Amino acid sequence: GAGVSQSPSNKVTEKGKDVELRCDPISGHTALYWYRQSLGQGLEFLIYFQGNSAPDKSGLPSDRFSAERTGGSVSTLTIQRTQQEDSAVYLCASSFPGSFHEQFFGPGTRLTVL
Amino acid sequence: GQSLEQPSEVTAVEGAIVQINCTYQTSGFYGLSWYQQHDGGAPTFLSYNALDGLEETGRFSSFLSRSDSYGYLLLQELQMKDSASYFCAANNAGNMLTFGGGTRLMVKP
Repeated sequence: GAGVSQSPSNKVTEKGKDVELRCDPISGHTALYWYRQSLGQGLEFLIYFQGNSAPDKSGLPSDRFSAERTGGSVSTLTIQRTQQEDSAVYLCASSFPGSFHEQFFGPGTRLTVL
Repeated sequence: GQSLEQPSEVTAVEGAIVQINCTYQTSGFYGLSWYQQHDGGAPTFLSYNALDGLEETGRFSSFLSRSDSYGYLLLQELQMKDSASYFCAANNAGNMLTFGGGTRLMVKP
């Protein structure tokens, strides 16, 4: 595709349920990033993939959060036993190798935990 | 740790010039990026400074001073469509970006 795509665009779930968010990066972009953004706030780094491996998982808020990437392309972010404080927009970005300063963002998934 | 500070809000009038400052404290600093985000939209890349000095891209310019751990984004000939949030982000040796809290720019007629 022409840009980074994310699905679903909106997700409403009940506290305690698991959710899975998907990101399709731009073809050829080996680096993929997940961020979280609360309303009116900055971007909070969650995890970074280079290919299928995640050199840095330090941003994941708790062990309820996990992410994987397969085939050097699609990535999924899974949140288990969701809590109300998980409500935010989850943004995915990708970049060419060596161009980490220029990331291309998807439209995000707005997660609401009731 | 890494931290970037920028003003939370700036207001300017159409046609004016506005400067958004960013100071940073990071390790393994490679350069400073700037992103624009309209309400409800995704962040989009504006510019990047790896070296000291000014980078110009149309109406937007970005400046970096490594010795002062400081940079700014300069927007000229402001237009209403420039109303958005602007984020500075430090590129570090871990091949990641650490974002500032964002500056909300309001352009008034």
